[in-house]
Formats: sequence, structure tokens, C-alpha cells
Amino acid sequence: DSGVTQTPKHLITATGQRVTLRCSPRSGDLSVYWYQQSLDQGLQFLIQYYNGEERAKGNILERFSAQQFPDLHSELNLSSLELGDSALYFCASSVDGGGNTEAFFGQGTRLTVV
Amino acid sequence: GQQVMQIPQYQHVQEGEDFTTYCNSSTTLSNIQWYKQRPGGHPVFLIQLVKSGEVKKQKRLTFQFGEAKKNSSLHITATQTTDVGTYFCAGPSNAGGTSYGKLTFGQGTILTVHP
Repeated sequence: DSGVTQTPKHLITATGQRVTLRCSPRSGDLSVYWYQQSLDQGLQFLIQYYNGEERAKGNILERFSAQQFPDLHSELNLSSLELGDSALYFCASSVDGGGNTEAFFGQGTRLTVV
Repeated sequence: GQQVMQIPQYQHVQEGEDFTTYCNSSTTLSNIQWYKQRPGGHPVFLIQLVKSGEVKKQKRLTFQFGEAKKNSSLHITATQTTDVGTYFCAGPSNAGGTSYGKLTFGQGTILTVHP
């Protein structure tokens, strides 16, 4: 158990819909990363928050947004969903915001858009 | 932007054979991390290398960080079926020598081991 909790584990939704993925980082970790992993693909960096502030941004679509709340949990919002958004979405947390310490991954949310 | 390339993409070995995956970054890294993702699982941290030329061992796994801190390798001696999975390297983006997050992962090497 990594200590990172992601909900829900599975999500099936229709095209055009909006969903919210939730992540609770490990106790004491200030940094949250979001990654997208498509079938047999690598981990595509979406966005990083550190202590409530956006720290780094990857190739995140405009239809996607995220935030980190004062209690440090984070949410990733995906809207106007398309079939191609079907993927495994991972959240990871770490102590520092500079990528200098190990990242702990949650179990992931598998999103299926039909 | 920073790119982290990993080769090979796939590696099939017989149990007992050795395995190596290579990682190259387009920029100098302050550190490099290695992760393993079992089929159906999530990435799990294996190790972090920080110093130029650093070599670390974990049982049958040997990790190296290049002298220029732009490349790294993971070598597994005498693979076992439990080694099956995807191995990723990852490094933080940096600007002016300061890491600022955006932990970038290589594409990973998918290892299959035939008994």
C-alpha cells in the first residue's frame, strides 16, 4: 500500500460527459502529480501541484483541469470526454516539489469512455 | 522541452538470461529514478541515483548513472518470472540547474520472461 488513495477505481461514461477523479496523497506529501497511461503506453505527465499551487504543466488538454485543495487532496476534472480519453489515470505524491524524492503512486482510475 | 528516451521498448528473455534497459535524457539530470510496474499494477519506486557515475545494486538488479548525468541503465542478472513488468526511468525537469518538478518518465521497457 503506497498510501496514495485514488477514487474511483473504475469509471465508465459516455462521450461528451464530465468526470472528476480524486486523489489523496500520502500523509506529509505536499506534491501531487497526475499522469495518463494509455494501453501499453508510457506515463504521460499532465500536471503537478505543490502545496496548493500549480507547479508544472505537461501536455494537458484544455478540456482537462486540476486543483489541489488546502487539505492537499487533488482532483482532476475531465470534460467533453472523447473516446481517446479512455486510459488509466494515475496520481502520485512526493514530499518535495522538485522531483528530487521518490513518487508514490496510487492504484489508478481506469476511465472508459463509450 | 526535456525528453527521456528509453530502449528497448520490448524485451523477451528466457528465464535465467540477463536483461538491460537504457535511459537517455536530453538534458542533464539532478537525479534519476527507476520504477517498476507489474502487469495490472501501478508504478513502484525502485531506486534513485544522484551522483555522476553512481552504481547501486539491489540483489540481482544493478543501476548506473552516467558520468554526464544524462543517461542511466538498469541491468538484471539471471532474470526470474517475478521480474516481469515494465521498467521506467524518470527524471525531473530542470532549468538553470534547478529541478522544478515535472517528473518525466521514459516510455518504459516491457520485460517478459519465458520460464
